[in-house]
Amino acid sequence: AQSVTQLGSHVSVSEGALVLLRCNYSSSVPPYLFWYVQYPNQGLQLLLKYTTGATLVKGINGFEAEFKKSETSFHLTKPSAHMSDAAEYFCAVIRSGNTGKLIFGQGTTLQVKP
Amino acid sequence: EAQVTQNPRYLITVTGKKLTVTCSQNMNHEYMSWYRQDPGLGLRQIYYSMNVEVTDKGDVPEGYKVSRKEKRNFPLILESPSPNQTSLYFCASSPLALSTDTQYFGPGTRLTVL
Repeated sequence: AQSVTQLGSHVSVSEGALVLLRCNYSSSVPPYLFWYVQYPNQGLQLLLKYTTGATLVKGINGFEAEFKKSETSFHLTKPSAHMSDAAEYFCAVIRSGNTGKLIFGQGTTLQVKP
Repeated sequence: EAQVTQNPRYLITVTGKKLTVTCSQNMNHEYMSWYRQDPGLGLRQIYYSMNVEVTDKGDVPEGYKVSRKEKRNFPLILESPSPNQTSLYFCASSPLALSTDTQYFGPGTRLTVL
């Protein structure tokens, strides 16, 4: 069965520092991978996704993620954190061939300190 | 304005009293889905629909029903709510498949079952 694991339920960084949110997945077939962001009291918004092709994916708000098949990882990074990046981030996966069923990780809350 | 709407936004009810949470989208999207969000568990998919009259189970369908009689609406029905269904519920829609299209989330419905 597919699963998604996000390492660290809370991550705290200083403003201007590198943001690194970790996501590992398990899938027996090539997956489609997503990162979503949830700001307080709001629904989720898609940050970026990997389907096929280039393994380094750029998203909105300066975020990017790299699909590493050998490590079964899809970590999210941003070179310089802004206060406005404070939110909860979710990694998610769907299995190629079943494009309706989405599995989320547990979420990582990003705190940005001034 | 293109959006996914949910009603009600907040609901407190008692065990066993049937309720319906409505979801509507005005973007002519084929795909719609329901999720529940619980602390430490991330989001879990309840049901999804790839098209009118086509619905399928997500990871946690027990205790829920859905219907998709028309493209724009995808109501979530709790026939006999129980306290373990207390949660934050999100409806979402996507033009076609999740692998190719962005999923748009509603604002959420916070349900408390006493």
